[in-house]
Amino acid sequence: GAVVSQHPSRVICKSGTSVKIECRSLDFQATTMFWYRQFPKQSLMLMATSNEGSKATYEQGVEKDKFLINHASLTLSTLTVTSAHPEDSSFYICSARPRTSGYNEQFFGPGTRLTVL
Amino acid sequence: TQLLEQSPQFLSIQEGENLTVYCNSSSVFSSLQWYRQEPGEGPVLLVTVVTGGEVKKLKRLTFQFGDARKDSSLHITAAQPGDTGLYLCAGAVTDSWGKLQFGAGTQVVVTP
Repeated sequence: GAVVSQHPSRVICKSGTSVKIECRSLDFQATTMFWYRQFPKQSLMLMATSNEGSKATYEQGVEKDKFLINHASLTLSTLTVTSAHPEDSSFYICSARPRTSGYNEQFFGPGTRLTVL
Repeated sequence: TQLLEQSPQFLSIQEGENLTVYCNSSSVFSSLQWYRQEPGEGPVLLVTVVTGGEVKKLKRLTFQFGDARKDSSLHITAAQPGDTGLYLCAGAVTDSWGKLQFGAGTQVVVTP
């Protein structure tokens, strides 16, 4: 149980284009989903917190107009990187917190490797 | 801000040796999770500790939560190459929609 999928797993795009990443909880409903960014050999950096049906809350320094988050249902959240530039190249990981979790456990997707040329 | 300090940053040991990773904070956490992450993949939840002084075992892994719920440790007995990975501790941030505060991570390499 508690499986989270992410799609695509890897994407290469040209500078200036937009990329959408999907995050799905496959066997549970998620009260909240989170989006992280991870640089090589570093820990996870939280970008935003997303609750179903409401606007995402962004961490300080994260541009909400550049990283658009939509949480359309209790099992799906999307992150769109708009007008991507090479500095946006990174490993993006989502996580989901089950509705029934009392201990703030998060279950992570496998990540999406974004390369902007 | 509730900060988690994780140490050491890197551990390289031989198969069969033991190791301990520490996670410390000046803040109290309502719960703390340990994750393991392999290259190119997302973190996988290993354990959640909730009660001060709690000890949980997962095969050769022993997790302990400090009495004051400010620190935790992960001990691996007789490490195997399959234990290689990035170990992350994460504490639940209060009043924050379930956000987790992550430590910087400990890269563990176990060589045969």
